[in-house]
Amino acid sequence: DIVMTQSPDSLAVSLGERVTINCKSSQSLLYTSNNKNNLTWYQQKAGQPPKLLIYWASVRESGVPDRFWGSGSGTDFSLTISSLQAEDLAVYFCQQYDSIPHTFGQGTKLELK
Amino acid sequence: QVQLQASGPGLVKPSGTLSLTCAVSGDSISNNHWWSWLRQSPGKGLEWIGQIYHVGSPHYNPSLKSRVIISIDKSKNHFSLNLMSVTAADTAVYFCARASLHGLSLWGQGTLVTVSS
Repeated sequence: DIVMTQSPDSLAVSLGERVTINCKSSQSLLYTSNNKNNLTWYQQKAGQPPKLLIYWASVRESGVPDRFWGSGSGTDFSLTISSLQAEDLAVYFCQQYDSIPHTFGQGTKLELK
Repeated sequence: QVQLQASGPGLVKPSGTLSLTCAVSGDSISNNHWWSWLRQSPGKGLEWIGQIYHVGSPHYNPSLKSRVIISIDKSKNHFSLNLMSVTAADTAVYFCARASLHGLSLWGQGTLVTVSS
């Protein structure tokens, strides 16, 4: 199985702050035939299912605010929130869908400082 | 508006079978999507159980493959999860979701299943 490791596990943040969450995969997620990385980012708020934010490592899902940015390739990826809003306080997960089983990172919880 | 709704018993006895159904509304289960099951527990985080397309064989997580069956019923526009020989470790919130080539774009609300006698 591909192991997905996120850092940090939790982060105390201030509103308006720039936030970066990292995700490292144990194998490359780059699909060479289309030069895309099979890596997604999800946001989960308490009592709700995860919500898709970013796919192919850097493409925002329709309706996702442009303060959310995904970057990286191969085995190292990041999710950046350019200016944290109150509604962004949640848990964030990365997931690889390059090979079965599709595996998730352990999650990064954003809390207010 | 496309919606997914999982349903099934919230309590299953140890060694029994966990059975859930995900009703799909606003979309045809025969469209170009993979229909997926996942679960989430405090101890194990988010775990992908498997997925099924309207044709062909389902894909399963190897860690569960010996105990799981995912099936699809086109006439009822729903898909199902059966997990056999359950233990307390299978206690979790179970989600059904719709997957496309770029991820799990739509999720049901999730249903808590507790394994206990």
